[in-house]
Amino acid sequence: AAGVIQSPRHLIKEKRETATLKCYPIPRHDTVYWYQQGPGQDPQFLISFYEKMQSDKGSIPDRFSAQQFSDYHSELNMSSLELGDSALYFCASGFRLGAGNEQFFGPGTRLTVL
Amino acid sequence: LAKTTQPISMDSYEGQEVNITCSHNNIATNDYITWYQQFPSQGPRFIIQGYKTKVTNEVASLFIPADRKSSTLSLPRVSLSDTAVYYCLVGDIDTGGFKTIFGAGTRLFVKA
Repeated sequence: AAGVIQSPRHLIKEKRETATLKCYPIPRHDTVYWYQQGPGQDPQFLISFYEKMQSDKGSIPDRFSAQQFSDYHSELNMSSLELGDSALYFCASGFRLGAGNEQFFGPGTRLTVL
Repeated sequence: LAKTTQPISMDSYEGQEVNITCSHNNIATNDYITWYQQFPSQGPRFIIQGYKTKVTNEVASLFIPADRKSSTLSLPRVSLSDTAVYYCLVGDIDTGGFKTIFGAGTRLFVKA
């Protein structure tokens, strides 16, 4: 079965650089979520999209932005990177009103800021 | 969104049944209870979800008392591969499915 695809899997950037993370949800899923998980921490909700429209925002810094495109893939754009942005970034997809509202998570992108 | 409280960590041995209890005192009428499992460096994985009483699937059981202020995830006969972090989430899946708050999960360590 198709799973959530994230690219790249690993990314190394310098401070103050920008980064773009991509997410390809499971086909026909209508909702995409982004999470940040720092070392030893629990996943923190960043932002979600329902049918390509931004739905809710969590603890997403103003330096970050995200969008979902017509083909349903989503991108998380991160500017002026800081050391503290080093983390695993997960994308998840699901059905807004699906059975169990289950979210399917991708493998994550590990971002390292030097 | 209802706040959840779980034990920080638990230890168990292979073959034992493990019960992880989550407190959610301010759960709302429309809220469902969902549990996720996460292995290191992997995304969380859905385990089970319920509203009241008992729910069972091939992986676990979820017990929810009548007042719904807590829930217990039961893992039968755990193995070493069940060592992971377990998260309890509470939210309205009809209207609140867009914002998922992961609290501090329970780190389960299964020993041989």
